Amino acid sequence: ILNVEQSPQSLHVQEGDSTNFTCSFPSSNFYALHWYRWETAKSPEALFVMTLNGDEKKKGRISATLNTKEGYSYLYIKGSQPEDSATYLCAPETSYDKVIFGPGTSLSVIP
Amino acid sequence: DTAVSQTPKYLVTQMGNDKSIKCEQNLGHDTMYWYKQDSKKFLKIMFSYNNKELIINETVPNRFSPKSPDKAHLNLHINSLELGDSAVYFCASRPDGRPGGAFFGQGTRLTVV
Repeated sequence: ILNVEQSPQSLHVQEGDSTNFTCSFPSSNFYALHWYRWETAKSPEALFVMTLNGDEKKKGRISATLNTKEGYSYLYIKGSQPEDSATYLCAPETSYDKVIFGPGTSLSVIP
Repeated sequence: DTAVSQTPKYLVTQMGNDKSIKCEQNLGHDTMYWYKQDSKKFLKIMFSYNNKELIINETVPNRFSPKSPDKAHLNLHINSLELGDSAVYFCASRPDGRPGGAFFGQGTRLTVV
């Protein structure tokens, strides 16, 4: 069973604060790393897919970095807004098409 | 148009029954998945199909049988339903080629009573 850890488990921040989460995964058998956002009562939505060590991706106020050698990825949100409230899922892809989801970090942004 | 659609959205059934959940995607994707969201809200991969062929089967009881009549459909049939099968089941799809994010259906909430 692939051990994917995400921290913190949950986070409450004030509107305007910047925040970051961590995903750690085994560095062996790495193919790609996915980040998803999952809002309550909706379906998971893909944010980023990264494949190379040192990759950085950005989408608006959200960005992510990847370190495949040590097996971690960070997700950053700059100037959090209430609409950023969601669970953020990290999902390593260990071989083509085998995408395993982590437990997620639940973010609440307080107006 | 819904990209990945699952039916039904809700399903309540008695123990021992056999039921199916249907999934269709109109994105032209080659790979389709079934995931189960467990009681701790974890998304666990169950099956992956690529062009109608089974690629991944993650130690799912053989009461669960996926069927892919064509690459746009991946249905999940469950025999002899048990209380522990109660969960939300998500279908997803993604294209072949370079790694890309998956598109998820809205989920099917299965309740076994």
